[in-house]
Amino acid sequence: DAGVIQSPRHEVTEMGQEVTLRCKPISGHNSLFWYRQTMMRGLELLIYFNNNVPIDDSGMPEDRFSAKMPNASFSTLKIQPSEPRDSAVYFCASSLGQGFYEQYFGPGTRLTVT
Amino acid sequence: GQQVMQIPQYQHVQEGEDFTTYCNSSTTLSNIQWYKQRPGGHPVFLIQLVKSGEVKKQKRLTFQFGEAKKNSSLHITATQTTDVGTYFCAGKPGGYNKLIFGAGTRLAVHP
Repeated sequence: DAGVIQSPRHEVTEMGQEVTLRCKPISGHNSLFWYRQTMMRGLELLIYFNNNVPIDDSGMPEDRFSAKMPNASFSTLKIQPSEPRDSAVYFCASSLGQGFYEQYFGPGTRLTVT
Repeated sequence: GQQVMQIPQYQHVQEGEDFTTYCNSSTTLSNIQWYKQRPGGHPVFLIQLVKSGEVKKQKRLTFQFGEAKKNSSLHITATQTTDVGTYFCAGKPGGYNKLIFGAGTRLAVHP
């Protein structure tokens, strides 16, 4: 299996621009997670989906952030408009379920907003 | 909200020394998982503990889950430079339907 796939791996954009991060989970996994990692705040859970349905989006910072999962093999995290404080590494992870199953993380997208 | 506290935040050791990181929760955890993230990499699952007082070993790594299921530890015997990275615990509080990650312990090993 190819593992969790994320694109792009690196993104540099200017403040105010829209950014879209993409994730392809491992086939057969029905839970998908979006995390943000910074030195200051560590690893934060932004949102997670179960069977393509958002279950908990309490970690989404504000309305500028949105996530979708139109089908079992694809998810997006969108930031519009982006701000410098959004600069971070964004990880997508998938698992067979939530809570008792190990999570498989993708390689991450390093986002820099200037 | 629910929190899983992890200490220390950072530790550096000489190669060959032992290392321990601790994870604590104010509420009972249904299970706890441990992950390792190498510098520049992504978190990778190491192990899961479910039972009260459970102890599991992976070569030089020993994982423990407390009797009250509120704390856990990861102990590395005779560290090597390949152990460098950040170790995260992640617990699922009872009644909660998601894992809560600790802040991680960053381990540096000096040869």
